[in-house]
Amino acid sequence: QVQLQESGPGLVKPSGTLSLTCAVSGGSISSSNWWSWVRQPPKKGLEWIGEIYHSGSTNYNPSLKSRVTISVDKSKNQFSLKLSSVTAADTAVYYCAETSVAGVYYHWGQGILVSVSS
Amino acid sequence: DLQMTQSPSSLSASVGDRVTITCRASHSISSYLNWYQQKAGKAPNLLISAASSLQSGVPSRFSGRGSGTDFTLTISSLQPEDFASYYCQQSYSVPFTFGGGTKVQI
Repeated sequence: QVQLQESGPGLVKPSGTLSLTCAVSGGSISSSNWWSWVRQPPKKGLEWIGEIYHSGSTNYNPSLKSRVTISVDKSKNQFSLKLSSVTAADTAVYYCAETSVAGVYYHWGQGILVSVSS
Repeated sequence: DLQMTQSPSSLSASVGDRVTITCRASHSISSYLNWYQQKAGKAPNLLISAASSLQSGVPSRFSGRGSGTDFTLTISSLQPEDFASYYCQQSYSVPFTFGGGTKVQI
Protein backbone atom coordinates (compact mmCIF):
# COMPACT_ATOMS: atom_id res chain seq x y z
CA GLN A 1 0.00 0.00 0.00
CA VAL A 2 1.30 3.43 -0.97
CA GLN A 3 2.25 5.72 1.92
CA LEU A 4 2.86 9.45 1.59
CA GLN A 5 4.75 11.85 3.87
CA GLU A 6 4.89 15.62 3.47
CA SER A 7 7.90 17.66 4.58
CA GLY A 8 9.07 21.24 4.40
CA PRO A 9 9.20 24.52 6.34
CA GLY A 10 6.29 25.24 8.61
CA LEU A 11 6.74 29.00 8.30
CA VAL A 12 7.16 31.08 5.16
CA LYS A 13 7.50 34.85 4.91
CA PRO A 14 5.00 36.88 2.88
CA SER A 15 6.00 37.24 -0.79
CA GLY A 16 8.26 34.21 -0.41
CA THR A 17 7.96 30.76 -1.97
CA LEU A 18 6.37 27.80 -0.21
CA SER A 19 8.22 24.57 -1.00
CA LEU A 20 6.98 21.15 0.08
CA THR A 21 8.01 17.60 -0.73
CA CYS A 22 5.97 14.41 -0.60
CA ALA A 23 7.97 11.21 -0.11
CA VAL A 24 6.38 8.09 -1.58
CA SER A 25 6.90 4.65 -0.05
CA GLY A 26 5.35 1.28 -0.78
CA GLY A 27 5.17 2.06 -4.47
CA SER A 28 6.98 3.71 -7.36
CA ILE A 29 6.33 7.27 -8.40
CA SER A 30 6.89 6.06 -11.95
CA SER A 31 3.74 3.92 -11.77
CA SER A 32 0.62 4.90 -13.66
CA ASN A 33 -0.72 7.20 -10.99
CA TRP A 34 -1.60 10.81 -10.43
CA TRP A 35 0.27 12.63 -7.65
CA SER A 36 -1.62 15.57 -6.21
CA TRP A 37 -1.68 18.42 -3.70
CA VAL A 38 -4.74 19.56 -1.74
CA ARG A 39 -4.83 22.25 0.93
CA GLN A 40 -7.14 23.23 3.79
CA PRO A 41 -7.03 26.66 5.46
CA PRO A 42 -7.66 26.59 9.21
CA LYS A 43 -11.30 25.71 9.96
CA LYS A 44 -12.18 25.81 6.26
CA GLY A 45 -12.82 23.35 3.45
CA LEU A 46 -10.60 21.51 1.01
CA GLU A 47 -9.05 23.12 -2.07
CA TRP A 48 -7.50 21.13 -4.90
CA ILE A 49 -4.17 22.64 -5.95
CA GLY A 50 -3.02 20.43 -8.79
CA GLU A 51 -1.55 17.14 -9.93
CA ILE A 52 1.22 15.54 -11.92
CA TYR A 53 1.08 12.31 -13.87
CA HIS A 54 3.98 9.86 -13.89
CA SER A 55 4.78 11.03 -17.42
CA GLY A 56 5.24 14.61 -16.19
CA SER A 57 1.94 15.98 -17.45
CA THR A 58 0.42 18.50 -15.02
CA ASN A 59 -2.96 20.05 -14.24
CA TYR A 60 -3.33 23.07 -11.96
CA ASN A 61 -6.20 24.89 -10.32
CA PRO A 62 -6.74 28.01 -12.47
CA SER A 63 -7.05 30.11 -9.30
CA LEU A 64 -3.44 29.25 -8.40
CA LYS A 65 -1.94 28.37 -11.77
CA SER A 66 0.24 31.47 -12.13
CA ARG A 67 1.98 30.68 -8.82
CA VAL A 68 2.13 26.86 -8.70
CA THR A 69 4.65 24.34 -9.92
CA ILE A 70 4.41 20.59 -9.24
CA SER A 71 7.33 18.38 -10.19
CA VAL A 72 8.52 14.79 -9.80
CA ASP A 73 11.94 13.50 -8.75
CA LYS A 74 12.00 9.86 -9.83
CA SER A 75 15.47 9.25 -8.40
CA LYS A 76 14.19 10.09 -4.91
CA ASN A 77 10.67 8.67 -5.39
CA GLN A 78 9.09 11.95 -4.39
CA PHE A 79 7.17 14.87 -5.80
CA SER A 80 7.15 18.53 -4.86
CA LEU A 81 5.02 21.65 -4.67
CA LYS A 82 6.21 25.20 -5.10
CA LEU A 83 3.85 28.12 -4.51
CA SER A 84 5.28 31.57 -5.11
CA SER A 85 4.34 35.07 -3.90
CA VAL A 86 2.56 33.70 -0.84
CA THR A 87 0.29 35.75 1.41
CA ALA A 88 -1.50 35.01 4.68
CA ALA A 89 -4.34 33.54 2.59
CA ASP A 90 -2.00 30.66 1.70
CA THR A 91 -1.77 29.58 5.34
CA ALA A 92 -3.16 26.04 5.36
CA VAL A 93 -2.58 22.38 6.00
CA TYR A 94 -1.13 20.99 2.78
CA TYR A 95 -1.83 17.36 1.89
CA CYS A 96 -0.27 15.24 -0.79
CA ALA A 97 -2.43 12.50 -2.25
CA GLU A 98 -2.26 9.72 -4.81
CA THR A 99 -4.65 7.96 -7.10
CA SER A 100 -4.77 5.55 -9.97
CA VAL A 101 -8.21 6.87 -10.90
CA ALA A 102 -8.12 10.56 -11.83
CA GLY A 103 -9.47 12.72 -9.06
CA VAL A 104 -10.34 9.92 -6.63
CA TYR A 105 -7.97 10.04 -3.69
CA TYR A 106 -7.45 6.71 -1.98
CA HIS A 107 -4.19 7.58 -0.25
CA TRP A 108 -3.26 10.76 1.61
CA GLY A 109 -0.31 12.04 3.56
CA GLN A 110 -0.88 13.15 7.15
CA GLY A 111 -0.69 16.82 6.16
CA ILE A 112 1.68 19.63 7.07
CA LEU A 113 0.69 23.03 8.43
CA VAL A 114 2.35 25.92 6.65
CA SER A 115 1.89 29.40 8.07
CA VAL A 116 2.66 32.56 6.13
CA SER A 117 3.85 35.26 8.51
CA SER A 118 6.68 37.71 8.95
CA ASP B 1 -15.04 25.59 -12.75
CA LEU B 2 -17.68 23.18 -11.50
CA GLN B 3 -19.19 24.40 -8.23
CA MET B 4 -20.19 21.87 -5.58
CA THR B 5 -22.78 22.94 -3.02
CA GLN B 6 -23.31 20.88 0.10
CA SER B 7 -26.13 21.12 2.59
CA PRO B 8 -26.50 21.44 5.45
CA SER B 9 -23.19 22.98 6.53
CA SER B 10 -23.65 21.43 9.97
CA LEU B 11 -26.13 19.21 11.75
CA SER B 12 -26.74 17.78 15.19
CA ALA B 13 -28.02 14.25 15.51
CA SER B 14 -28.26 11.42 18.01
CA VAL B 15 -26.79 7.94 17.97
CA GLY B 16 -29.05 5.73 15.88
CA ASP B 17 -30.44 8.56 13.75
CA ARG B 18 -30.61 8.38 9.98
CA VAL B 19 -28.60 11.27 8.50
CA THR B 20 -28.63 12.52 4.91
CA ILE B 21 -26.22 15.03 3.39
CA THR B 22 -26.90 16.59 0.00
CA CYS B 23 -24.43 17.68 -2.66
CA ARG B 24 -25.37 19.55 -5.83
CA ALA B 25 -23.14 20.18 -8.83
CA SER B 26 -23.42 23.32 -10.95
CA HIS B 27 -23.39 21.16 -14.10
CA SER B 28 -23.95 17.50 -14.78
CA ILE B 29 -21.07 15.32 -13.61
CA SER B 30 -22.63 11.94 -14.43
CA SER B 31 -21.55 9.73 -11.50
CA TYR B 32 -18.13 11.31 -10.96
CA LEU B 33 -18.86 12.12 -7.34
CA ASN B 34 -16.88 11.05 -4.29
CA TRP B 35 -17.48 11.37 -0.55
CA TYR B 36 -14.80 11.79 2.10
CA GLN B 37 -14.93 11.71 5.88
CA GLN B 38 -12.50 13.90 7.81
CA LYS B 39 -11.96 13.65 11.54
CA ALA B 40 -10.37 16.47 13.50
CA GLY B 41 -6.64 16.80 12.81
CA LYS B 42 -6.63 13.97 10.26
CA ALA B 43 -6.47 13.67 6.50
CA PRO B 44 -9.69 12.98 4.59
CA ASN B 45 -10.65 9.34 4.11
CA LEU B 46 -12.44 8.14 0.98
CA LEU B 47 -15.81 6.60 1.83
CA ILE B 48 -17.59 6.36 -1.51
CA SER B 49 -16.46 6.79 -5.10
CA ALA B 50 -18.43 7.00 -8.33
CA ALA B 51 -21.49 8.22 -6.39
CA SER B 52 -22.37 4.86 -4.84
CA SER B 53 -19.34 2.55 -4.68
CA LEU B 54 -18.53 1.86 -1.03
CA GLN B 55 -14.82 1.59 -0.36
CA SER B 56 -13.37 -1.54 1.24
CA GLY B 57 -13.52 -1.38 5.02
CA VAL B 58 -16.21 1.32 5.14
CA PRO B 59 -19.23 0.26 7.22
CA SER B 60 -22.34 -0.61 5.29
CA ARG B 61 -24.36 2.03 7.18
CA PHE B 62 -22.83 4.52 4.72
CA SER B 63 -24.44 4.74 1.29
CA GLY B 64 -24.39 7.12 -1.64
CA ARG B 65 -26.88 7.82 -4.40
CA GLY B 66 -27.40 10.14 -7.32
CA SER B 67 -26.23 11.10 -10.78
CA GLY B 68 -26.13 14.19 -12.93
CA THR B 69 -26.28 17.13 -10.54
CA ASP B 70 -27.88 15.83 -7.33
CA PHE B 71 -26.27 13.43 -4.88
CA THR B 72 -26.79 12.22 -1.34
CA LEU B 73 -24.72 10.55 1.35
CA THR B 74 -26.77 8.67 3.94
CA ILE B 75 -25.69 7.24 7.27
CA SER B 76 -28.44 4.78 8.15
CA SER B 77 -27.78 4.56 11.88
CA LEU B 78 -25.37 7.16 13.24
CA GLN B 79 -22.60 5.86 15.49
CA PRO B 80 -20.40 7.85 17.92
CA GLU B 81 -17.37 7.38 15.65
CA ASP B 82 -19.22 9.10 12.80
CA PHE B 83 -18.69 12.48 14.43
CA ALA B 84 -16.71 14.16 11.65
CA SER B 85 -16.89 16.45 8.67
CA TYR B 86 -18.00 15.11 5.32
CA TYR B 87 -17.02 16.46 1.92
CA CYS B 88 -18.27 15.72 -1.56
CA GLN B 89 -15.88 16.11 -4.50
CA GLN B 90 -16.35 15.93 -8.23
CA SER B 91 -13.80 14.02 -10.32
CA TYR B 92 -15.48 14.84 -13.64
CA SER B 93 -13.13 17.63 -14.69
CA VAL B 94 -10.18 19.61 -13.42
CA PRO B 95 -10.02 21.45 -11.12
CA PHE B 96 -11.45 18.66 -8.96
CA THR B 97 -13.58 20.80 -6.68
CA PHE B 98 -14.88 19.95 -3.23
CA GLY B 99 -18.11 20.92 -1.54
CA GLY B 100 -17.94 23.21 1.47
CA GLY B 101 -18.34 20.36 3.93
CA THR B 102 -20.91 19.18 6.46
CA LYS B 103 -19.98 18.93 10.11
CA VAL B 104 -21.91 16.17 11.89
CA GLN B 105 -22.18 16.67 15.62
CA ILE B 106 -23.46 13.93 17.84
